[in-house]
Amino acid sequence: KNEVEQSPQNLTAQEGEFITINCSYSVGISALHWLQQHPGGGIVSLFMLSSGKKKHGRLIATINIQEKHSSLHITASHPRDSAVYICAVAASGSRLTFGEGTQLTVNP
Amino acid sequence: NAGVTQTPKFQVLKTGQSMTLQCAQDMNHNSMYWYRQDPGMGLRLIYYSASEGTTDKGEVPNGYNVSRLNKREFSLRLESAAPSQTSVYFCASSKTHPASGGGTQYFGPGTRLTVL
Repeated sequence: KNEVEQSPQNLTAQEGEFITINCSYSVGISALHWLQQHPGGGIVSLFMLSSGKKKHGRLIATINIQEKHSSLHITASHPRDSAVYICAVAASGSRLTFGEGTQLTVNP
Repeated sequence: NAGVTQTPKFQVLKTGQSMTLQCAQDMNHNSMYWYRQDPGMGLRLIYYSASEGTTDKGEVPNGYNVSRLNKREFSLRLESAAPSQTSVYFCASSKTHPASGGGTQYFGPGTRLTVL
């Protein structure tokens, strides 16, 4: 079993829909990261969180440390949100471990 | 600021050839990383450098060597390329030490390497 599991693997939505991507992990962590990989391949960091909730524009990330679970929400989705969203966890004193990513397609 | 830059963007090698992937960052970050990304798998850490003068193995170091030339530059060398090293390679940097979670990582644009 992978240390980091994302669901769903693929997600297709209509413009305007509310989107949720889930991430579950199996180890104790010091931080969890959400990243976005654009269709051209570039990777950008969206959030780093260790507790609670963070919001940036239409993106919201939450984490439940006790349940070892995080969600990334996108409100009022837009075709430009189409990308691969990657969850990664930092176990204490160790490197980042990445999930396989969720391919999101938002249709107009 | 350019952020994290990588060269080359694309490379085709024959089995047994050697090459060096270059990475530089202009954000005065302490830590730098080399990852590979393969279809159906998450990013995997090859090597990292927590600070200038130090390097450590990651998850998949076999077949690779690295050099932290100075605070800005971190290179990845394939001494004898194999088809299994066909992949997309990303360099990244962060301000803080990996042991503390690494902080936000900034990624380069990637190098697409094919080994025939």
